[in-house]
Amino acid sequence: ETGVTQTPRHLVMGMTNKKSLKCEQHLGHNAMYWYKQSAKKPLELMFVYNFKEQTENNSVPSRFSPECPNSSHLFLHLHTLQPEDSALYLCASSQGDNLSNQPQHFGDGTRLSIL
Amino acid sequence: QKEVEQNSGPLSVPEGAIASLNCTYSDRGSQSFFWYRQYSGKSPELIMSIYSNGDKEDGRFTAQLNKASQYVSLLIRDSQPSDSATYLCAVNRYGNNRLAFGKGNQVVVIP
Repeated sequence: ETGVTQTPRHLVMGMTNKKSLKCEQHLGHNAMYWYKQSAKKPLELMFVYNFKEQTENNSVPSRFSPECPNSSHLFLHLHTLQPEDSALYLCASSQGDNLSNQPQHFGDGTRLSIL
Repeated sequence: QKEVEQNSGPLSVPEGAIASLNCTYSDRGSQSFFWYRQYSGKSPELIMSIYSNGDKEDGRFTAQLNKASQYVSLLIRDSQPSDSATYLCAVNRYGNNRLAFGKGNQVVVIP
């Protein structure tokens, strides 16, 4: 149990579908992150939220839309995805966005497959 | 130049031996360094953090940092089959928590 819970664990969707990924952290952290992990590539940072405010959008296509209603919950809304978007999507949290010595704690991820 | 490089291919070590993993980084402003372990199908799990030059030991793990040469390494002593996983090197700069990750090194411990 990492303290960061992601649902669903697996998701298969067509390119025209709309779905959402959910992340919840029980660690009392203030910063939350979305990462994409593709085979044979480094983890790619997508979005960062600090105290519910988005502080980073790493040139992510608009078909990915994040939402952070509070410091404990983070969503990633998906629509009109492409086959190359198939990957493991990881959520992480940390004490604060501006604290470089605070490690990030990861959830188990959502394995996304686009048909 | 990649921000964080882990160049070694899969590493096979016999049980009980030392596994050595290396990581280099390009940004001299980097201040915090982390090693994560990721089992197949699971989340990255933090195993070591290091912030100053030298060695840091935690159980069977030792992290070594050399900021002048811009590398950080991880030693796993008395390797066990349960250490078989992918090890990710992560680096960030002072003042923010944007982690840059390497591609990871797969370690296979052979009983």
